[in-house]
Amino acid sequence: EAEVAQSPRYKITEKSQAVAFWCDPISGHATLYWYRQILGQGPELLVQFQDESVVDDSQLPKDRFSAERLKGVDSTLKIQPAELGDSAMYLCASSLVHVGKGEETQYFGPGTRLLVL
Amino acid sequence: SQQGEEDPQALSIQEGENATMNCSYKTSINNLQWYRQNSGRGLVHLILIRSNEREKHSGRLRVTLDTSKKSSSLLITASRAADTASYFCATSRGGFKTIFGAGTRLFVKA
Repeated sequence: EAEVAQSPRYKITEKSQAVAFWCDPISGHATLYWYRQILGQGPELLVQFQDESVVDDSQLPKDRFSAERLKGVDSTLKIQPAELGDSAMYLCASSLVHVGKGEETQYFGPGTRLLVL
Repeated sequence: SQQGEEDPQALSIQEGENATMNCSYKTSINNLQWYRQNSGRGLVHLILIRSNEREKHSGRLRVTLDTSKKSSSLLITASRAADTASYFCATSRGGFKTIFGAGTRLFVKA
């Protein structure tokens, strides 16, 4: 069964350093999502791509976070510089159906757990 | 901000008992989904119910949706220790982002 791949699974960094996370969605899935999940809370959308275009990045802290999906396939989420409050699980998900077309079942990767010291 | 609010926040039951979790939301929706998350892992989709549906079943799962009350419930029958996880409802309004609630933490004791 196809899965969403993420790497690394765990990342420890010091504040002010740069970190990057990678996601490879299920083949053929046009929509890709990056979520941040703080311990004890639900996932919060950071950015949503439709193919290579950003369709929602309203909750992305753009002064330090950036995301790209250059060829409309895999994606990278970067934080520079990392802050203590960025410690969280970063989840990537993909879906087959285009935004606004109805069912949007999302398939999640295993996540990257980030700890900023 | 998160639209879905799950209740209870945590639930502890014995194996074999039924578990019921509730979700309330604030605005009109196109569909509501339930996801499960095992500790430290990604979310797994369980079931989707559309706004024009009232009840849906999948194996030991039963989901109801009451759009007049803006609420949904997830029932897990004959629970097993392997059902121990966090359960999230997620709402979407077609064209808008999917919003997840804070989740219900279910613990099933063997």
